[in-house]
Amino acid sequence: DIQMTQSPSSLSASVGDRVTITCRASQGIRDYLAWFQQKPGKAPKSLIYAASSLQSGVPSKFSGSGSGTEFTLTISSLQPEDFATYYCQQYNSYPLTFGGGTKLEIK
Amino acid sequence: EVQLVESGGDLVQPGGSLRLSCAASGFTFSDPYMDWVRQAPGKGLEWVGRSRDKTNSYTTEYAASVKGRFTISRDDSRNSLYLQMNSLKTEDTAVYYCTRAIRDRNGYGIYDYWGQGTLVTVSS
Repeated sequence: DIQMTQSPSSLSASVGDRVTITCRASQGIRDYLAWFQQKPGKAPKSLIYAASSLQSGVPSKFSGSGSGTEFTLTISSLQPEDFATYYCQQYNSYPLTFGGGTKLEIK
Repeated sequence: EVQLVESGGDLVQPGGSLRLSCAASGFTFSDPYMDWVRQAPGKGLEWVGRSRDKTNSYTTEYAASVKGRFTISRDDSRNSLYLQMNSLKTEDTAVYYCTRAIRDRNGYGIYDYWGQGTLVTVSS
């Protein structure tokens, strides 16, 4: 199975900041990497697929990059509604696997 | 508007069975892959399994942790996805989400929509 490791596991930031979350795959997954946002008590929301493509309706403040084994999610100009937990997922091979999550908290 | 609505979650004893349903609307149900993803209380996301699309004969894939105990099926006439869960264990306690996965040109499924989830509690 491909292991997905996210760092950091938690992150404190202020409104207006720019933050970057990293996701590493235990083996190459080309660009078959997605990012999701989840708020407490809610279902995940799809943000990015194919490492860098935004889902419809997702603001351009979210951006993704990477290929192979290392990927990043960057969120610019943080707003209160952006504070949530973020997950990466590889869909290159079965079983599909998720990272452990990064909890983004307000400083 | 795409909607996915799960139902069927309940409290069940270890060793018991339960069937979850996911009612879909707003799209041609036979087109995409459909997955189940679960989340144990306070934990991260875990993929459970997939039903591929009609073109791929609705073949299925499962996580090792549920293979042989869980079965995914779908009924196009009812626009519904199902998860039959047998031999339930306490570690199956989780919120179960159904997700739509649009097939890209290479046959890989990209999640776009998620249901709101349904809670399954396995406890004596």
